[in-house]
Amino acid sequence: AQSVTQPDIHITVSEGASLELRCNYSYGATPYLFWYVQSPGQGLQLLLKYFSGDTLVQGIKGFEAEFKRSQSSFNLRKPSVHWSDAAEYFCAVLWRGGSGGSYIPTFGRGTSLIVHP
Amino acid sequence: DAGVTQSPTHLIKTRGQQVTLRCSPKSGHDTVSWYQQALGQGPQFIFQYYEEEERQRGNFPDRFSGHQFPNYSSELNVNALLLGDSALYLCASSYPPTGTQYFGPGTRLTVL
Repeated sequence: AQSVTQPDIHITVSEGASLELRCNYSYGATPYLFWYVQSPGQGLQLLLKYFSGDTLVQGIKGFEAEFKRSQSSFNLRKPSVHWSDAAEYFCAVLWRGGSGGSYIPTFGRGTSLIVHP
Repeated sequence: DAGVTQSPTHLIKTRGQQVTLRCSPKSGHDTVSWYQQALGQGPQFIFQYYEEEERQRGNFPDRFSGHQFPNYSSELNVNALLLGDSALYLCASSYPPTGTQYFGPGTRLTVL
């Protein structure tokens, strides 16, 4: 079955430090890839997405992600973290496998980012 | 431009009862997807509605059903509630069905 793995449940960084959140997927082809952020009690906000083309994707709030086909990974990065970045981050894939060739969304379990002042 | 809206915000039910959650998509979107997010977990796909029909379904029992109206708004119905149905229920809309999904704030359902 297709799956999305976020190996880090929690990540703690100091404000101003760089950040990398890991995401690996299991799928026979290249899916559509997404990163979302969720603040406490809120819905999910799209940070960035990859469909095709340049494997380095720029998103909102200074985030970027790099798709590496050979590693089946789509890691999220930010060069300098701000205290307001503390939130839950979810990696998601949209893979083709439903009836009629439609697309099915699958989310990872999330990584909680804690930012120390 | 209003984003995705959901109602109610919070809901408390008892085991065995039935519940209906509502979602209005972002303007211009015609596809609505529903997700269940248990505490500490990622969203789990329940189903997707497009052109008033259920197009895709995740691994959820038939107790979970839905509907989409001509104005693209949608309802999620859950029958015979179980304690394990307690979760945040998220609605997302998109155009087209494979387009980027925009999420609402969710409905927090507590089953006692």
